[in-house]
Amino acid sequence: QVQLVQSGVEVKKPGASVKVSCKASGYTFTSYYIHWVRQAPGQGLEWMGVINPSGAGTTYAQKFQGRVTMTRDTSTSTVYMELFSLRSEDTAVYYCARVASSTCFDYWGQGTLVTVSS
Amino acid sequence: DIQMTQSPSSLSASVGDRVTVTCRASHSISSSLHWYQQKPGKAPRLLIYGASSLQSGVPSRFSGSGSGTDFTLTISSLQPEDFATYYCQQGYGTPRTFGQGTKVEIK
Repeated sequence: QVQLVQSGVEVKKPGASVKVSCKASGYTFTSYYIHWVRQAPGQGLEWMGVINPSGAGTTYAQKFQGRVTMTRDTSTSTVYMELFSLRSEDTAVYYCARVASSTCFDYWGQGTLVTVSS
Repeated sequence: DIQMTQSPSSLSASVGDRVTVTCRASHSISSSLHWYQQKPGKAPRLLIYGASSLQSGVPSRFSGSGSGTDFTLTISSLQPEDFATYYCQQGYGTPRTFGQGTKVEIK
C-alpha cells in the first residue's frame, strides 16, 4: 500500500535550518510529484512547493523562495524539504503529499512538527 | 494567485443533519477542486477530487458539485465521525491554494 513516512519531531533555534524527510513506498517513486504543505498551530493549510522525483525539478511558493530547498534521493525513494533561517513563525506541522493525475493530494505523510524557539 | 474562500468558517450541526459547505475561487478553475477532511492531530484525508468524484473508501454520504468558481461539499446525513475541519483546494494553478477551512462542530 502507498505510504509516506516522515521524520520525527524537530526543535530548532531561530536562525537555524531544518531538514525533514519523507520516505515513499508502495508505488513507483519517480511517477508522482511530491508537494510540501505546512500548518501552523490552529491555522489552515499552506502550500510550500513541489518536487518532481524523476527529474528533480522544483517549484516553490514565492513566500519561501530563497529559504527552502526540496531534493530527492531515488535510491531510497525519499524526498527532503530543508528550510533555512528559521523564525518563530515557522513553527508548524510540515506534511509531504503525493499528487495524483487529477491534481489532488491523494496520500499524505503523517506530519512532522517543527518548533522554533529560543 | 487563485484565492479560495470557504463559507461558513464554522457550523454547528446534529447527527443526521444535512450539511453544506461552499468554496469560491477568485478565478475559474474548471473542475480542479478537491475537498479534504482533517481531524485534530491528523493529516488531511482526501474526500472528493475533480469537484465531484468520490475518493475510494469514502462513504457515499459525502458528495461534491460545482465547476468554474463555485463549489459545494455536502454531507447528506452527518455522522459522529464527521465532526472535523473541511478544506477545499484548487489544483488548477500554481501556487496551489486552500480555503481557510470549515469546522463542523456538534450542536
